[in-house]
Amino acid sequence: GESVGLHLPTLSVQEGDNSIINCAYSNSASDYFIWYKQESGKGPQFIIDIRSNMDKRQGQRVTVLLNKTVKHLSLQIAATQPGDSAVYFCAENLLPDSGGGADGLTFGKGTHLIIQP
Amino acid sequence: EPEVTQTPSHQVTQMGQEVILRCVPISNHLYFYWYRQILGQKVEFLVSFYNNEISEKSEIFDDQFSVERPDGSNFTLKIRSTKLEDSAMYFCASSEAGWGNGYTFGSGTRLTVV
Repeated sequence: GESVGLHLPTLSVQEGDNSIINCAYSNSASDYFIWYKQESGKGPQFIIDIRSNMDKRQGQRVTVLLNKTVKHLSLQIAATQPGDSAVYFCAENLLPDSGGGADGLTFGKGTHLIIQP
Repeated sequence: EPEVTQTPSHQVTQMGQEVILRCVPISNHLYFYWYRQILGQKVEFLVSFYNNEISEKSEIFDDQFSVERPDGSNFTLKIRSTKLEDSAMYFCASSEAGWGNGYTFGSGTRLTVV
């Protein structure tokens, strides 16, 4: 089946800098995307989502950008803090009116964000 | 904040034994899911459950796996005869509408098959 993937397994940034984590997806039918954060020993934690009818969505210190032309998704974290250290996964699904809803999420492989002091 | 609760946090079992992993989804959620994550790898979908029946299952979810909602609060995953390769973190998730930020994961059960 088609899958969602991330470009880099590890990303190291200085505390206070902005972080950009990238994800490429291959299922052109996907219309809903989510970024999750996973800290060691814990389950995935929702960060932000975006539907395919949007190019950009902002949350608190985070921004998700979607480029449907090249099937690329990115997560920008502003002013990275030590608490941002985690593995970040993108995931995709279909919206309910596209036949999704009960479908499982398809996750990418994850990028481990390391914050340097 | 409402949580998805999973028990036990760690389960060790011998190969060939049956295990049951337990989950208490968020009370007003209608969709329930199991995922697994082999150490260092991505999270993989196993099964979704809605309206008291399986909605979707992945290739991983073979005849050795089953799910049940025995009462109004619990959602269980049973592995009938465990194999070494079943060792992984198993995450339960629930959602209100099948998508959106209400899609909440539990902290997982670490299953170790020896």
